[in-house]
Amino acid sequence: QKEVEQDPGPLSVPEGAIVSLNCTYSNSAFQYFMWYRQYSRKGPELLMYTYSSGNKEDGRFTAQVDKSSKYISLFIRDSQPSDSATYLCAMSSSGSARQLTFGSGTQLTVLP
Amino acid sequence: DTGVSQDPRHKITKRGQNVTFRCDPISEHNRLYWYRQTLGQGPEFLTYFQNEAQLEKSRLLSNRFSAERPKGSFSTLEIQRTEQGDSAMYLCASSAIIAGGLTRWYGYTFGSGTRLTVV
Repeated sequence: QKEVEQDPGPLSVPEGAIVSLNCTYSNSAFQYFMWYRQYSRKGPELLMYTYSSGNKEDGRFTAQVDKSSKYISLFIRDSQPSDSATYLCAMSSSGSARQLTFGSGTQLTVLP
Repeated sequence: DTGVSQDPRHKITKRGQNVTFRCDPISEHNRLYWYRQTLGQGPEFLTYFQNEAQLEKSRLLSNRFSAERPKGSFSTLEIQRTEQGDSAMYLCASSAIIAGGLTRWYGYTFGSGTRLTVV
């Protein structure tokens, strides 16, 4: 069993929809949680970074962490075709993130 | 350009050959990381450097793999006697850690990767 599980999709939604992306994990030592976006043939780029449980909002993006359930989510409001990409969750037990453990990614397509 | 630069972007090699990739991190970043990503999977940690010191290596980094970061600037990743299973995207990332007092981390910046195909 992988430490981090992520539904690979693909997920296809109409423009303007609310998108929910999720990951579950098994390592209770994880305290730092990240979401990355990866466009085709590009490296991942950091979208959101949260510590411990709670919510964090940044524009159209909201990250939620529920450590008691070992479950994290990323919500995208008013989705745009430019949001079409693969979304990767990543986690670390260390604040200096010497090593990240990634999910396998969810492929999202937002249809115009 | 202030991003992470990787070279080459794509490398095709025959099984058994040696290959070397280069990564130029963001100049003010003191940490540099190598990850490997196969199709449909997330990146997997290989190794990381703080300045010129290689501080951690994954068990994924077999004896055929070696990484260096001379003078704490650019880094190279060499794969000797390549195998078809080495075919993957090799990603480099860098980050800044402020030493002393509260350690802060501002996230990795990834390069666009080197796609290796072993035929």
